[in-house]
Amino acid sequence: ETGVTQTPRHLVMGMTNKKSLKCEQHLGHNAMYWYKQSAKKPLELMFVYNFKEQTENNSVPSRFSPECPNSSHLFLHLHTLQPEDSALYLCASSQETGTGTEAFFGQGTRLTVV
Amino acid sequence: GQNIDQPTEMTATEGAIVQINCTYQTSGFNGLFWYQQHAGEAPTFLSYNVLDGLEEKGRFSSFLSRSKGYSYLLLKELQMKDSASYLCAVSQDASGGSYIPTFGRGTSLIVHP
Repeated sequence: ETGVTQTPRHLVMGMTNKKSLKCEQHLGHNAMYWYKQSAKKPLELMFVYNFKEQTENNSVPSRFSPECPNSSHLFLHLHTLQPEDSALYLCASSQETGTGTEAFFGQGTRLTVV
Repeated sequence: GQNIDQPTEMTATEGAIVQINCTYQTSGFNGLFWYQQHAGEAPTFLSYNVLDGLEEKGRFSSFLSRSKGYSYLLLKELQMKDSASYLCAVSQDASGGSYIPTFGRGTSLIVHP
């Protein structure tokens, strides 16, 4: 248990569905991240929030929409996804987006788009 | 941008020593992380190097040479539970004074009896 909780752990959705991934951290951190992990590929940074403000959007398609209502919660809203979006989506948090601050990861949501 | 390279897969014997290398090319370097990820689990932090040299932490050590763009993770007295993916991540200067870790593909280590 890393202190970062993601729900659901597994999700199967059709291409026309709308769903949301949730991430919650109880570590008192100020920065939260979404990463995508596909087979045989590096972890890809998607979004970064620091003190509830989005600081990075790594050229992510608009069918992925993040939301950070407070420093403890992060959502990823999904709509009209494609089969190639199937992957493990990892949430992480760190004290801040500063040098040397290690990231704590959640268990991830295994997403399958059918 | 940056380029992070590490071997895809390595095998080693229980009780042995293994060294996992990572090379990188980046601008605005601000440290290098190693993470361990067991199958189906979250990555967990192992080490952070920002200055040249060796950092030792129990059975695991991490080395950094900034001038060479090179790091390695050294695992001693290997145990079966060390079978996992080892991720090298470089922290680089992003925007607005923030530093974001960017990950390599990971090295899958298989430890056999």
